[in-house]
Amino acid sequence: EIVLTQSPGTLSLSPGERATLSCRASQSVSSSYIAWYQQKPGQPPRLLIYAASRRATGIPDRFSGSGSGTDFTLTISRLEPEDFAVYYCQQCGSSPLTFGGGTKVEIK
Amino acid sequence: EVQLVGSGGGLVQPGRSLRLSCATSGFTFDNYGMHWVRQAPGKGLEWVAGITWNSGIIDYADSVKGRFTTSRDNAKNSLYLQMNSLRAEDTAFYYCARAREMYRDAFDIWGQGTMVTVSS
Repeated sequence: EIVLTQSPGTLSLSPGERATLSCRASQSVSSSYIAWYQQKPGQPPRLLIYAASRRATGIPDRFSGSGSGTDFTLTISRLEPEDFAVYYCQQCGSSPLTFGGGTKVEIK
Repeated sequence: EVQLVGSGGGLVQPGRSLRLSCATSGFTFDNYGMHWVRQAPGKGLEWVAGITWNSGIIDYADSVKGRFTTSRDNAKNSLYLQMNSLRAEDTAFYYCARAREMYRDAFDIWGQGTMVTVSS
Protein backbone atom coordinates (compact mmCIF):
# COMPACT_ATOMS: atom_id res chain seq x y z
CA GLU A 1 0.00 0.00 0.00
CA ILE A 2 1.27 3.45 -0.92
CA VAL A 3 1.16 5.74 2.11
CA LEU A 4 0.79 9.47 1.45
CA THR A 5 2.04 11.85 4.13
CA GLN A 6 0.85 15.44 3.95
CA SER A 7 2.54 18.35 5.65
CA PRO A 8 2.03 20.53 7.47
CA GLY A 9 -1.06 19.33 9.26
CA THR A 10 -2.29 22.91 9.62
CA LEU A 11 -1.23 26.02 7.75
CA SER A 12 -2.17 29.40 9.26
CA LEU A 13 -2.06 32.15 6.67
CA SER A 14 -3.71 35.45 5.79
CA PRO A 15 -5.71 36.20 2.64
CA GLY A 16 -3.38 37.20 -0.17
CA GLU A 17 -0.53 35.01 1.07
CA ARG A 18 0.95 32.03 -0.75
CA ALA A 19 0.21 28.51 0.47
CA THR A 20 2.50 25.57 -0.21
CA LEU A 21 1.20 22.10 0.69
CA SER A 22 3.33 18.98 0.53
CA CYS A 23 2.43 15.35 -0.19
CA ARG A 24 5.10 12.68 0.13
CA ALA A 25 4.56 9.11 -1.06
CA SER A 26 6.11 6.03 0.55
CA GLN A 27 7.16 4.84 -2.92
CA SER A 28 7.40 6.38 -6.34
CA VAL A 29 4.09 7.24 -8.00
CA SER A 30 3.63 8.17 -11.62
CA SER A 31 2.56 11.80 -11.78
CA SER A 32 -0.38 10.65 -13.91
CA TYR A 33 -1.94 9.27 -10.76
CA ILE A 34 -1.67 12.12 -8.26
CA ALA A 35 -4.70 14.28 -7.52
CA TRP A 36 -5.54 17.06 -5.09
CA TYR A 37 -8.94 17.80 -3.55
CA GLN A 38 -10.41 20.64 -1.52
CA GLN A 39 -13.04 19.95 1.11
CA LYS A 40 -15.12 22.47 3.05
CA PRO A 41 -17.25 21.59 6.10
CA GLY A 42 -20.44 19.75 5.24
CA GLN A 43 -19.45 19.31 1.60
CA PRO A 44 -17.98 16.47 -0.44
CA PRO A 45 -14.43 16.89 -1.74
CA ARG A 46 -13.90 18.85 -4.94
CA LEU A 47 -11.27 17.88 -7.50
CA LEU A 48 -8.68 20.63 -7.97
CA ILE A 49 -5.71 18.99 -9.70
CA TYR A 50 -5.28 15.69 -11.54
CA ALA A 51 -2.20 14.13 -13.10
CA ALA A 52 -0.14 16.11 -10.57
CA SER A 53 -0.35 19.41 -12.44
CA ARG A 54 -3.51 19.64 -14.53
CA ARG A 55 -6.28 21.86 -13.23
CA ALA A 56 -9.76 20.38 -13.20
CA THR A 57 -12.59 22.14 -15.00
CA GLY A 58 -13.46 25.51 -13.48
CA ILE A 59 -10.52 25.63 -11.06
CA PRO A 60 -8.88 29.09 -10.87
CA ASP A 61 -5.30 29.42 -12.04
CA ARG A 62 -4.11 30.46 -8.57
CA PHE A 63 -4.12 26.70 -7.86
CA SER A 64 -1.16 24.79 -9.28
CA GLY A 65 0.34 21.37 -8.77
CA SER A 66 3.83 20.07 -9.30
CA GLY A 67 6.17 17.25 -8.41
CA SER A 68 7.32 13.81 -9.41
CA GLY A 69 8.45 10.53 -7.94
CA THR A 70 7.64 10.70 -4.25
CA ASP A 71 7.26 14.44 -3.67
CA PHE A 72 4.29 16.48 -4.82
CA THR A 73 3.17 20.02 -4.06
CA LEU A 74 -0.03 22.00 -4.26
CA THR A 75 0.48 25.76 -4.38
CA ILE A 76 -2.17 28.44 -3.96
CA SER A 77 -0.53 31.61 -5.22
CA ARG A 78 -2.71 34.15 -3.40
CA LEU A 79 -5.23 32.92 -0.88
CA GLU A 80 -8.80 34.05 -1.35
CA PRO A 81 -11.31 33.87 1.56
CA GLU A 82 -13.01 30.86 -0.06
CA ASP A 83 -9.73 28.89 -0.15
CA PHE A 84 -9.64 28.25 3.59
CA ALA A 85 -10.46 24.56 3.75
CA VAL A 86 -8.89 21.11 4.07
CA TYR A 87 -6.82 19.76 1.19
CA TYR A 88 -6.13 16.10 0.42
CA CYS A 89 -3.76 14.45 -1.99
CA GLN A 90 -4.58 11.07 -3.51
CA GLN A 91 -2.80 8.41 -5.50
CA CYS A 92 -5.08 6.54 -7.89
CA GLY A 93 -2.54 4.40 -9.71
CA SER A 94 -2.44 1.27 -7.61
CA SER A 95 -4.88 -0.54 -5.39
CA PRO A 96 -5.64 0.22 -2.69
CA LEU A 97 -6.13 3.82 -3.75
CA THR A 98 -5.00 6.03 -0.91
CA PHE A 99 -5.42 9.56 0.39
CA GLY A 100 -3.12 11.67 2.48
CA GLY A 101 -4.22 12.71 5.95
CA GLY A 102 -5.03 16.24 4.84
CA THR A 103 -3.73 19.77 5.39
CA LYS A 104 -6.03 22.33 6.93
CA VAL A 105 -5.50 25.87 5.64
CA GLU A 106 -6.87 28.23 8.25
CA ILE A 107 -7.11 31.98 8.56
CA LYS A 108 -4.34 33.48 10.63
CA GLU B 1 -26.34 18.59 -14.95
CA VAL B 2 -24.09 15.75 -13.83
CA GLN B 3 -25.32 14.38 -10.51
CA LEU B 4 -24.64 11.57 -8.08
CA VAL B 5 -27.27 11.08 -5.39
CA GLY B 6 -26.49 8.71 -2.58
CA SER B 7 -29.10 7.06 -0.39
CA GLY B 8 -29.64 4.16 1.99
CA GLY B 9 -27.70 5.32 5.01
CA GLY B 10 -28.99 5.21 8.56
CA LEU B 11 -28.54 3.78 12.03
CA VAL B 12 -27.80 0.05 12.16
CA GLN B 13 -26.71 -2.34 14.89
CA PRO B 14 -23.30 -4.00 14.84
CA GLY B 15 -23.32 -7.19 12.81
CA ARG B 16 -26.26 -6.13 10.67
CA SER B 17 -26.36 -5.18 7.00
CA LEU B 18 -27.11 -2.08 4.95
CA ARG B 19 -27.24 -1.37 1.24
CA LEU B 20 -26.24 1.99 -0.16
CA SER B 21 -27.30 3.23 -3.57
CA CYS B 22 -25.92 5.95 -5.80
CA ALA B 23 -28.24 7.18 -8.54
CA THR B 24 -26.52 9.00 -11.36
CA SER B 25 -27.71 11.35 -14.09
CA GLY B 26 -26.40 13.78 -16.65
CA PHE B 27 -23.70 11.54 -18.13
CA THR B 28 -23.27 8.17 -19.84
CA PHE B 29 -22.92 6.01 -16.74
CA ASP B 30 -21.57 2.91 -18.47
CA ASN B 31 -18.58 4.87 -19.79
CA TYR B 32 -17.13 5.42 -16.32
CA GLY B 33 -15.48 3.61 -13.48
CA MET B 34 -17.02 4.36 -10.10
CA HIS B 35 -15.76 4.35 -6.53
CA TRP B 36 -16.88 4.56 -2.92
CA VAL B 37 -15.02 6.74 -0.40
CA ARG B 38 -15.87 7.13 3.26
CA GLN B 39 -15.10 9.70 5.92
CA ALA B 40 -15.54 9.10 9.61
CA PRO B 41 -16.77 12.18 11.52
CA GLY B 42 -13.93 14.66 11.88
CA LYS B 43 -11.48 12.37 10.05
CA GLY B 44 -9.88 12.10 6.64
CA LEU B 45 -10.89 10.33 3.44
CA GLU B 46 -10.65 6.56 3.03
CA TRP B 47 -11.15 4.79 -0.29
CA VAL B 48 -13.50 1.84 0.16
CA ALA B 49 -14.13 0.17 -3.21
CA GLY B 50 -14.03 0.67 -6.95
CA ILE B 51 -15.65 -0.93 -9.99
CA THR B 52 -14.89 -0.56 -13.68
CA TRP B 53 -17.51 0.36 -16.27
CA ASN B 54 -18.32 -3.26 -17.07
CA SER B 55 -17.71 -4.69 -13.57
CA GLY B 56 -14.68 -6.44 -14.99
CA ILE B 57 -12.44 -5.17 -12.18
CA ILE B 58 -13.67 -4.71 -8.62
CA ASP B 59 -11.31 -3.65 -5.84
CA TYR B 60 -11.73 -3.27 -2.10
CA ALA B 61 -9.85 -1.76 0.80
CA ASP B 62 -8.51 -4.40 3.17
CA SER B 63 -10.68 -2.93 5.93
CA VAL B 64 -13.89 -3.98 4.12
CA LYS B 65 -12.79 -6.94 2.00
CA GLY B 66 -15.05 -9.94 2.56
CA ARG B 67 -17.77 -7.81 4.18
CA PHE B 68 -18.65 -5.20 1.55
CA THR B 69 -19.65 -5.80 -2.07
CA THR B 70 -19.97 -3.13 -4.73
CA SER B 71 -21.99 -3.59 -7.90
CA ARG B 72 -23.60 -1.55 -10.61
CA ASP B 73 -26.62 -1.69 -12.88
CA ASN B 74 -25.81 0.21 -16.06
CA ALA B 75 -29.40 -0.04 -17.25
CA LYS B 76 -30.49 1.86 -14.15
CA ASN B 77 -27.47 4.21 -14.06
CA SER B 78 -26.88 3.15 -10.49
CA LEU B 79 -24.07 2.03 -8.21
CA TYR B 80 -24.50 -0.04 -5.05
CA LEU B 81 -22.58 -0.91 -1.90
CA GLN B 82 -23.79 -3.91 0.09
CA MET B 83 -22.35 -3.70 3.58
CA ASN B 84 -22.52 -6.82 5.77
CA SER B 85 -21.22 -7.60 9.26
CA LEU B 86 -21.07 -3.89 10.05
CA ARG B 87 -18.78 -2.68 12.80
CA ALA B 88 -18.63 0.50 14.85
CA GLU B 89 -15.55 1.55 12.87
CA ASP B 90 -17.63 1.56 9.67
CA THR B 91 -19.48 4.63 10.97
CA ALA B 92 -18.87 7.35 8.38
CA PHE B 93 -20.23 9.44 5.58
CA TYR B 94 -20.13 7.33 2.43
CA TYR B 95 -19.55 9.12 -0.86
CA CYS B 96 -19.91 7.70 -4.35
CA ALA B 97 -17.55 9.24 -6.87
CA ARG B 98 -16.90 9.08 -10.61
CA ALA B 99 -13.44 8.36 -11.99
CA ARG B 100 -12.57 11.12 -14.44
CA GLU B 101 -11.68 9.18 -17.60
CA MET B 102 -10.21 5.84 -16.63
CA TYR B 103 -10.89 3.54 -13.71
CA ARG B 104 -7.55 4.50 -12.15
CA ASP B 105 -8.07 8.23 -12.34
CA ALA B 106 -8.95 11.21 -10.18
CA PHE B 107 -12.53 11.49 -8.94
CA ASP B 108 -14.14 14.42 -10.72
CA ILE B 109 -17.74 14.13 -9.55
CA TRP B 110 -18.85 13.29 -6.00
CA GLY B 111 -22.21 12.58 -4.45
CA GLN B 112 -23.34 14.51 -1.40
CA GLY B 113 -22.71 11.57 0.88
CA THR B 114 -24.95 9.36 2.98
CA MET B 115 -24.31 8.81 6.68
CA VAL B 116 -23.99 5.34 8.14
CA THR B 117 -23.99 4.97 11.92
CA VAL B 118 -23.22 1.58 13.41
CA SER B 119 -24.26 1.47 17.04
CA SER B 120 -26.26 -0.62 19.46
